[in-house]
Amino acid sequence: DGGITQSPKYLFRKEGQNVTLSCEQNLNHDAMYWYRQDPGQGLRLIYYSQIVNDFQKGDIAEGYSVSREKKESFPLTVTSAQKNPTAFYLCASSNGRSTEAFFGQGTRLTVV
Amino acid sequence: AQSVTQLGSHVSVSEGALVLLRCNYSSSVPPYLFWYVQYPNQGLQLLLKYTSAATLVKGINGFEAEFKKSETSFHLTKPSAHMSDAAEYFCAPRRGLVFGQGTRLTINP
Repeated sequence: DGGITQSPKYLFRKEGQNVTLSCEQNLNHDAMYWYRQDPGQGLRLIYYSQIVNDFQKGDIAEGYSVSREKKESFPLTVTSAQKNPTAFYLCASSNGRSTEAFFGQGTRLTVV
Repeated sequence: AQSVTQLGSHVSVSEGALVLLRCNYSSSVPPYLFWYVQYPNQGLQLLLKYTSAATLVKGINGFEAEFKKSETSFHLTKPSAHMSDAAEYFCAPRRGLVFGQGTRLTINP
């Protein structure tokens, strides 16, 4: 089955630690995206990538980093510089101007 | 740049009643428009999309939306609400960069 997979679904970390969220897709999509979702705030774009080895900052990139070494993979690292990292993180991919975005099931990160 | 505005962060209807979720877009060119649904603790999934082929678009689960250029609107409707429709709904103008703020739909028994 083609799709987009995020792992793990739940993640707990201690404050001050970096953590990496995984996102893999086998849809052969060129573009991939990371969003953060907080209650009542909709989806906020963190980073996006339109092609391998290239990515752009979204609206709330501070405290986050990404890489795009393979077309299938777009991992997100939440660094210790992110002041309030506890949130629900969503990864998505798409291909072409008129097609929709396909989403993973999300990772809920809790920092204690 | 294209953007959308969803009117009403929370809509509550009775089971069996009409569902109307509002989305207005701003753009000088015909857009691609999408409605997505998100159930608790899950990702978003596509409900329907407008790609200029037809102004009335039918989607999954009995939802439909009508593109009205004169009103710059793409409102989502369903004639009869089901308990299973309780979720958050997002309008989006293109394939992943911008989303509306979302509307939480609650169904009362």
